[in-house]
Parts: sequence; C-alpha cells; structure tokens
Amino acid sequence: DTAVSQTPKYLVTQMGNDKSIKCEQNLGHDTMYWYKQDSKKFLKIMFSYNNKELIINETVPNRFSPKSPDKAHLNLHINSLELGDSAVYFCASSQAVWNEQFFGPGTRLTVL
Amino acid sequence: KNEVEQSPQNLTAQEGEFITINCSYSVGISALHWLQQHPGGGIVSLFMLSSGKKKHGRLIATINIQEKHSSLHITASHPRDSAVYICAALPNTGNQFYFGTGTSLTVIP
Repeated sequence: DTAVSQTPKYLVTQMGNDKSIKCEQNLGHDTMYWYKQDSKKFLKIMFSYNNKELIINETVPNRFSPKSPDKAHLNLHINSLELGDSAVYFCASSQAVWNEQFFGPGTRLTVL
Repeated sequence: KNEVEQSPQNLTAQEGEFITINCSYSVGISALHWLQQHPGGGIVSLFMLSSGKKKHGRLIATINIQEKHSSLHITASHPRDSAVYICAALPNTGNQFYFGTGTSLTVIP
C-alpha cells in the first residue's frame, strides 16, 4: 500500500504554462510538506501544512500556491512556469510537525 | 555556508566493508534525521534520533548532541546499499529541517 503518493511522476511543459502536482497520504498524519530538490540534489522546504493550516511558507515565488483540501491531501499549483522551476518536487508527511518524515516518490518537472 | 555538513561527499567501497558517513551541524538541535535516496530517486527515512544510538538491521546511527555530530554506519555493506545518504538537522527553534548535501555511496561487488 502506497503511503505517500504523488501525481504525476513526470511533467514536461512549456514556459508560461500553469500546472498542478497532487499529493495524498494514507498514513493518518497531521502534517504535510512540499520540498524542491535542485540539480545539485539539495532538498529545500517550500511549504508545510499542519491540520490544513499553512505553517511554513519559505521564500518561494508567489507563482507557487499550495492547497490542502483535507489533512490527507496537499496539492501544489504553479502559475507561469519558468525554466528555473525545473526540479524534482517531493511531497512528505509526518505524524506531527517536524517528526520523522515520509516522502512521496517525487515529481520530475521539466520546463522547456 | 550550510548549517549541516556531510563527509565524505562521495564514497566507494568494496562489498563487505564497514562504512561510516559523518554529519556535523553548527546550530543546537533537538533531533537529527537520516534519509536514503535510491538511484531511482525515491527517499526513505532511515532514522530520527535525538540522543545515543539507534540500530536497524545493518544500519547504525549515533549522535553526540554536545559535539554537534552524528554518524551513520553500515556494516557488511552490499551493492544494494548504493544510494545517496542525507542527514537533516532540526534546530532547537524547531522551525524547519536543515539538510546536508548528501553523501553518494557506491558499493562495488
């Protein structure tokens, strides 16, 4: 059974487009996160939600907007995609804020 | 300068060797998280610890909070251990994890 799932796994799109990445966890966790992993493999927190409330909003362009319809889902919408947005995006969840984190498989976004 | 430093950056070992990966951090922390990223890209949690030592199979993680240092050891290494190992420190302020840049391990048969 998949614990944290993300769709799509790969996303190739043109500059200027709007796209969404979906994340779902079936672990019953209260906290979910979005991370960006750049070409140097460095993981950087983007957002964190606890019980559907935004608790972390790092210095991320406001073209990125997270949405948490319920505790099990945290989606990421990106407007006006730019070349620099190309990266792997990981969703993660934890039982409580900053507990042990469980990661999704990642979404490789390529902006052409 | 990154708050979390890992060494070595790259490591090649022969199958069966004992492996140590080091993680040091510059801030006071309440916990440290070790993660494994497979060649296919998936990230798996190995340990989260705040003191002492934890063991799971052939993996052992230790931490010395006062010395601001943690190690991940792999006994009897195997080619399937080839992966990137990442440590992440949770500061006492507890507002986010600070990630190391990872140690790329290759175990040769």
